[in-house]
Amino acid sequence: ETGVTQSPTHLIKTRGQQVTLRCSSQSGHNTVSWYQQALGQGPQFIFQYYREEENGRGNFPPRFSGLQFPNYSSELNVNALELDDSALYLCASRRTGGVLTYEQYFGPGTRLTVT
Amino acid sequence: QKEVEQNSGPLSVPEGAIASLNCTYSDRGSQSFFWYRQYSGKSPELIMFIYSNGDKEDGRFTAQLNKASQYVSLLIRDSQPSDSATYLCAVGGSQGNLIFGKGTKLSVKP
Repeated sequence: ETGVTQSPTHLIKTRGQQVTLRCSSQSGHNTVSWYQQALGQGPQFIFQYYREEENGRGNFPPRFSGLQFPNYSSELNVNALELDDSALYLCASRRTGGVLTYEQYFGPGTRLTVT
Repeated sequence: QKEVEQNSGPLSVPEGAIASLNCTYSDRGSQSFFWYRQYSGKSPELIMFIYSNGDKEDGRFTAQLNKASQYVSLLIRDSQPSDSATYLCAVGGSQGNLIFGKGTKLSVKP
């Protein structure tokens, strides 16, 4: 157990709908990143939040958006869901600042199925 | 486009043998390297990280880094059936993100 939690565990949505996924970071970690993992692939970086602002983004369209809250928890929002959005969505947390660490620890993930 | 390449496997080894997993990366400026283990249906678990050339050992696991060859490997000694999983190699990106390979599936046969 990493101390990173995610909700919900599983979710089924219809194409065109919107979804919000949630993540609570590990204690002491102030940076949250989101990844999408399609079946048989490695995780792909969506974006990263630090001090409540997005400070890094991968090759994902604007319909993928997020928030970070003062307690460092985070949300991932996906609008206009497409079938290809079906994947495991992973949240990872780490600490930025002070003693620099690069290690990221993942939560259990949210399995999203779009029909 | 920064890339991380891994042999998808499956790699099959007998119980008690050494499993050797390999990874190459394209960005010569990369500074941080990670190995994650992912059991089927679960999320990735960080098992090793290495930042300097050479070997780093932790229990049955040894990570090896050769920056000149842009090559990182993971050795698992005395492999156990419980080591059967997909092993993901990741390289630290410029945004503090991780760039993953597709993973190598390891099967340890009793």
